[in-house]
Amino acid sequence: EAGVAQSPRYKIIEKRQSVAFWCNPISGHATLYWYQQILGQGPKLLIQFQNNGVVDDSQLPKDRFSAERLKGVDSTLKIQPAKLEDSAVYLCASSQGAGGYNEQFFGPGTRLTVL
Amino acid sequence: TQLLEQSPQFLSIQEGENLTVYCNSSSVFSSLQWYRQEPGEGPVLLVTVVTGGEVKKLKRLTFQFGDARKDSSLHITAAQPGDTGLYLCAGADAGGTSYGKLTFGQGTILTVHP
Repeated sequence: EAGVAQSPRYKIIEKRQSVAFWCNPISGHATLYWYQQILGQGPKLLIQFQNNGVVDDSQLPKDRFSAERLKGVDSTLKIQPAKLEDSAVYLCASSQGAGGYNEQFFGPGTRLTVL
Repeated sequence: TQLLEQSPQFLSIQEGENLTVYCNSSSVFSSLQWYRQEPGEGPVLLVTVVTGGEVKKLKRLTFQFGDARKDSSLHITAAQPGDTGLYLCAGADAGGTSYGKLTFGQGTILTVHP
């Protein structure tokens, strides 16, 4: 079974530029998550989709971050404009359903460096 | 906002030693998960504990969920270099409309020296 795919793996941009990340979850997984993991910290949930609807985006900085999940499959996360403090690894995860009893499968992440 | 405090943040030990990592919160969780993350990869689930007082064993790893479902521990017996990595605990919201949102601890970086 193929895992969660993410691209690109690495991205270096200058502050105030825009950047987009792509995620392809495990086939059949209804729930998709985007996390931000700053060096030395645990992942922080940015947004959670159930199929193509948003169920939690309470920690998403909506003035600069946006995310969509078209047709309930692939998802993109965009940052516009980027700030220095956005430097982090952005992890995408998927699970069969929502809820703490469901295993979340994580992709390898995209490491973003903002200069 | 629910918080999970992990301790210690860093652990450097010799092969064959035992160790315990703690995960504490003032909040009640419906379940608690432990993940292991290696450099350049995403976290991988080790175990999910659901019932207060539950103990689960995975080879040399023993996981315990506190009676009040607010804390958990991970004990590794006879650590090996292959156990090296970042260990994360994550609690799932107990609220009915939270869709089981996970709150992660800050992680424990374990290094096992040969």
